[in-house]
Amino acid sequence: DSGVTQTPKHLITATGQRVTLRCSPRSGDLSVYWYQQSLDQGLQFLIQYYNGEERAKGNILERFSAQQFPDLHSELNLSSLELGDSALYFCASSVEYSGNTIYFGEGSWLTVV
Amino acid sequence: AQSVTQPDIHITVSEGASLELRCNYSYGATPYLFWYVQSPGQGLQLLLKYFSGDTLVQGIKGFEAEFKRSQSSFNLRKPSVHWSDAAEYFCAVGENTGNQFYFGTGTSLTVIP
Repeated sequence: DSGVTQTPKHLITATGQRVTLRCSPRSGDLSVYWYQQSLDQGLQFLIQYYNGEERAKGNILERFSAQQFPDLHSELNLSSLELGDSALYFCASSVEYSGNTIYFGEGSWLTVV
Repeated sequence: AQSVTQPDIHITVSEGASLELRCNYSYGATPYLFWYVQSPGQGLQLLLKYFSGDTLVQGIKGFEAEFKRSQSSFNLRKPSVHWSDAAEYFCAVGENTGNQFYFGTGTSLTVIP
């Protein structure tokens, strides 16, 4: 158990819908990362927050957004969902915003039908 | 640009045989290097990491990796593979001055009895 908690573990939704994925980082970690893992794209970095502020942005679509709250949990919002958004979404956390080990949650499986 | 290459998409070994998974990176400075393992349907678990010091690092589950600066490599090894080692293995480079992590595309390990 990495200490990073993600909910829900599985989610099935229809195209055009909106979902929110939630992540609680390890105790004491200030930085949260979101990754998308799909068969054709591999592990793709989406976005990083550190202590409530966005620190880095990767291959995140405009339909997707994220935030980190004062209690340091983070949410990834996915809207206008398409079939191609079906993937495993990982949250990871680390103590600082750079030069540290990141620890992954078990992921949220999203299936868009 | 920073990048991580795992040349072997899939490797099959017999149980009890030795294993070496290759990882090459491209990074301007001394990188932070990681190996993660992902079992089916699971998150990424940290196997080992290299920040500095001894270039041969020991990890969990009997794995080790060696940092070779001259070859820009960080290959993962295990002297005797167990059936439970079957999984996907990811090499990653972390910036020591920034906040980005770069993952390889992964190597899928099959262990045959």
